[in-house]
Amino acid sequence: DTAVSQTPKYLVTQMGNDKSIKCEQNLGHDTMYWYKQDSKKFLKIMFSYNNKELIINETVPNRFSPKSPDKAHLNLHINSLELGDSAVYFCASSPLVTGGAQYFGPGTRLTVT
Amino acid sequence: GQNIDQPTEMTATEGAIVQINCTYQTSGFNGLFWYQQHAGEAPTFLSYNVLDGLEEKGRFSSFLSRSKGYSYLLLKELQMKDSASYLCAVDDSNYQLIWGAGTKLIIKP
Repeated sequence: DTAVSQTPKYLVTQMGNDKSIKCEQNLGHDTMYWYKQDSKKFLKIMFSYNNKELIINETVPNRFSPKSPDKAHLNLHINSLELGDSAVYFCASSPLVTGGAQYFGPGTRLTVT
Repeated sequence: GQNIDQPTEMTATEGAIVQINCTYQTSGFNGLFWYQQHAGEAPTFLSYNVLDGLEEKGRFSSFLSRSKGYSYLLLKELQMKDSASYLCAVDDSNYQLIWGAGTKLIIKP
């Protein structure tokens, strides 16, 4: 059984388009995250939700909007895509809001042309 | 500010032992994590230290000294499949992990 899943795995799109990435976890965790990993491999937190409530909203362009319909799902919608948005986006979940290990999805490789 | 330092790259020989160091300065501390990330894959959880001392898990061990802001990951009996990036991350007690840039470990036969 897949613990944290993301769709799609690959996403190639043109500048200016709007796209969404979906994430689901079946671990029963309360906390979910979105990370961006750029070409230099540095992991940067974007958002965190605990029981559908936003708890971390880092300095991210407002073109990025997370949505958590329930605690098992955290989706990421991106408007007006730019070249600099090209990266791998990871979803993760944790059983604890702090002090718990995070478990990552397989990642979505976004390429903006 | 919050800062985590680890070497960018290390090289070791198959069958040998390697130690990857991590130093940190964070506003809070609620534990330190080590993750392994193979190229093109997601990070996977390796270890968690919240108290000083050594935690052993098979071929991998992780050490923490909170007073020194220091941790290391020790990998024994290196195998080719251990070639990966190793990420150090600190829970800053503010609901997020502060991540290091990762250490790329290259294993040679």
